[in-house]
Amino acid sequence: ETGVTQSPTHLIKTRGQQVTLRCSSQSGHNTVSWYQQALGQGPQFIFQYYREEENGRGNFPPRFSGLQFPNYSSELNVNALELDDSALYLCASSLGGQAAYEQYFGPGTRLTVT
Amino acid sequence: QQQVKQSPQSLIVQKGGISIINCAYENTAFDYFPWYQQFPGKGPALLIAIRPDVSEKKEGRFTISFNKSAKQFSLHIMDSQPGDSATYFCAGYGNKLVFGAGTILRVKS
Repeated sequence: ETGVTQSPTHLIKTRGQQVTLRCSSQSGHNTVSWYQQALGQGPQFIFQYYREEENGRGNFPPRFSGLQFPNYSSELNVNALELDDSALYLCASSLGGQAAYEQYFGPGTRLTVT
Repeated sequence: QQQVKQSPQSLIVQKGGISIINCAYENTAFDYFPWYQQFPGKGPALLIAIRPDVSEKKEGRFTISFNKSAKQFSLHIMDSQPGDSATYFCAGYGNKLVFGAGTILRVKS
């Protein structure tokens, strides 16, 4: 059984640029959630995708967008990067329904915006 | 709005001692309360979870105590080991995970 994988591991971007982060969900999981974790803080929910549809969104602006593909892998896109977007971006996969709270996290992508 | 408050921010415990981390929540719509463990450079890993209709759940050295009327829950790590040194997050789940700010645990050998 393959766990959740994310790419790239690290990324450095300049303010105003756009970035795409990728996530492969755990085998059999149809739900992917994305989180932003600032240094020294708990993860903050960005949004969730279930069967290729957005299924809930946290308090993040529209320049944070995502996709889920038929194989349940997912992308997080961030446009017009700001310095405050520097953080660890975590992807988590789960089964839907009653087991949705049991989320399995990837190792994250460390994004630095300069 | 912080919906899950976690304390303490950091904790130092001697090997073999009991580590206790406390959380309080505001949102009564939460229907699961998981705890996650995170090591440096890794994503959080689910440790143990409890439903609000249960007052206590134990898995090995880890126990969650839950007080629904007080809207509080806690994690107890018995016989704490140096390998338990990590950051611990409590969370509430309704239709999304809402995390506390985390507790950095250091177990001294």
